[in-house]
Amino acid sequence: GAVVSQHPSWVICKSGTSVKIECRSLDFQATTMFWYRQFPKQSLMLMATSNEGSKATYEQGVEKDKFLINHASLTLSTLTVTSAHPEDSSFYICSAHGTDGYTFGSGTRLTVV
Amino acid sequence: DAKTTQPPSMDCAEGRAANLPCNHSTISGNEYVYWYRQIHSQGPQYIIHGLKNNETNEMASLIITEDRKSSTLILPHATLRDTAVYYCIVRVAASGSRLTFGEGTQLTVNP
Repeated sequence: GAVVSQHPSWVICKSGTSVKIECRSLDFQATTMFWYRQFPKQSLMLMATSNEGSKATYEQGVEKDKFLINHASLTLSTLTVTSAHPEDSSFYICSAHGTDGYTFGSGTRLTVV
Repeated sequence: DAKTTQPPSMDCAEGRAANLPCNHSTISGNEYVYWYRQIHSQGPQYIIHGLKNNETNEMASLIITEDRKSSTLILPHATLRDTAVYYCIVRVAASGSRLTFGEGTQLTVNP
């Protein structure tokens, strides 16, 4: 089946620094990828939709200058959390859409200290 | 996408069938019912989907009522590893459109 690889699985960074999270579709091409954020005991919240070769579409309330999304190829999308703060600590999950439907990465636990 | 309503939590004994309900009374004719689950600290996993006929795969069965206003996901022989949050999502099966999650049902399988 379709596989989505997400790295890193966890990261700790200092406040004010930037962190990049990668999402790769390993065995299929994904014209559309999605980024979610999940706080403890809450559901997944869609942050943005990215289409290969075009600008991402952000959900209401998500700062596009803070959460930079790049979808430069059909198999890779990246999320960069810029100038991270402790309130950005969360579980970030990517998803890629292919012929088999939506496949999710295993998530990235970000802790900002 | 149509709104769904699920109980916040359910318990099930190991080895027994787990029946997870979902109400989607505003579902449109071209909307499918999808089920995903999320085991703690992992990404969601696709389980099954259907339009109006009952569906079965190696993981589960999906029973959709004739009026399509509700459905039930059935795990025939629940194991401890089935403990997870189960999400029922109703949406048009359009290519690449947004997939949004509700609160889901926390299923706990007890030994």
